[in-house]
Amino acid sequence: KQEVTQIPAALSVPEGENLVLNCSFTDSAIYNLQWFRQDPGKGLTSLLLIQSSQREQTSGRLNASLDKSSGRSTLYIAASQPGDSATYLCAVAGSGYALNFGKGTSLLVTP
Amino acid sequence: ETGVTQTPRHLVMGMTNKKSLKCEQHLGHNAMYWYKQSAKKPLELMFVYNFKEQTENNSVPSRFSPECPNSSHLFLHLHTLQPEDSALYLCASSQADDRTYSYEQYFGPGTRLTVT
Repeated sequence: KQEVTQIPAALSVPEGENLVLNCSFTDSAIYNLQWFRQDPGKGLTSLLLIQSSQREQTSGRLNASLDKSSGRSTLYIAASQPGDSATYLCAVAGSGYALNFGKGTSLLVTP
Repeated sequence: ETGVTQTPRHLVMGMTNKKSLKCEQHLGHNAMYWYKQSAKKPLELMFVYNFKEQTENNSVPSRFSPECPNSSHLFLHLHTLQPEDSALYLCASSQADDRTYSYEQYFGPGTRLTVT
C-alpha cells in the first residue's frame, strides 16, 4: 500500500523567505504526483501536476520537483507572502483509482 | 471557480436523519470521486464512478450510499450516521480511461458535515 509522508507537519516563516516542502512515497510505480493547496475549511486547489516522466514543473513562484526512483518530491515556494498561508498536500497517483494523500504541511507566513 | 460545485456547504444532521450531498462538475470529465477528510487524517477515497458505473468502493459502511445518474452529477446519500462520520466530504472529477485514473483531479469546495 502506498504511503505518503510530508515533512514538516507545520512551518512558520517570515514574509519574503524561500521555503521547501517535502513529500516522500514508498512505491515508486506512480503515474503522476500532484501538489494541492487547502485553505481552512475549504476544498483543494491544484497547484502543480508532475507526470512520472517529468523531473519538475513550474508555475509562478512555485516549483515542484520529482525524483521517482528515490520516492521524493519537493515544492519550492519563492519569496513567500502571507497569502501563501495554507495547508499544502502532496498526492500520488498509482495504478489504482485513488490519489494517495499525505497529511499535509501547514504553512504560516508572517508579515 | 474550480468547475466542481457541491451543495450544501454545511450540514448538521441527527443520527436518525436521512440527507443527501450533491456534486456537479462542469468540466466534461467522465470520472467522479467522493473523498472523506477527517481531522488529523489524510484524505481517504470513498467511491469512484467511471462512465457512471461504480468502479471502487473503498470498504465504506452501507450507511453511505452513492448515486451517479450521469457523468456530471454525483450524490452521496446519508442515513443513520454516527458522530464519527463528522468530516469534510469532498467531491472530485477527472478524465479517466479503461485502466487508469491518473489524470489530474479537480476538487469541489466540500460539504462540512456534523452528526449530532
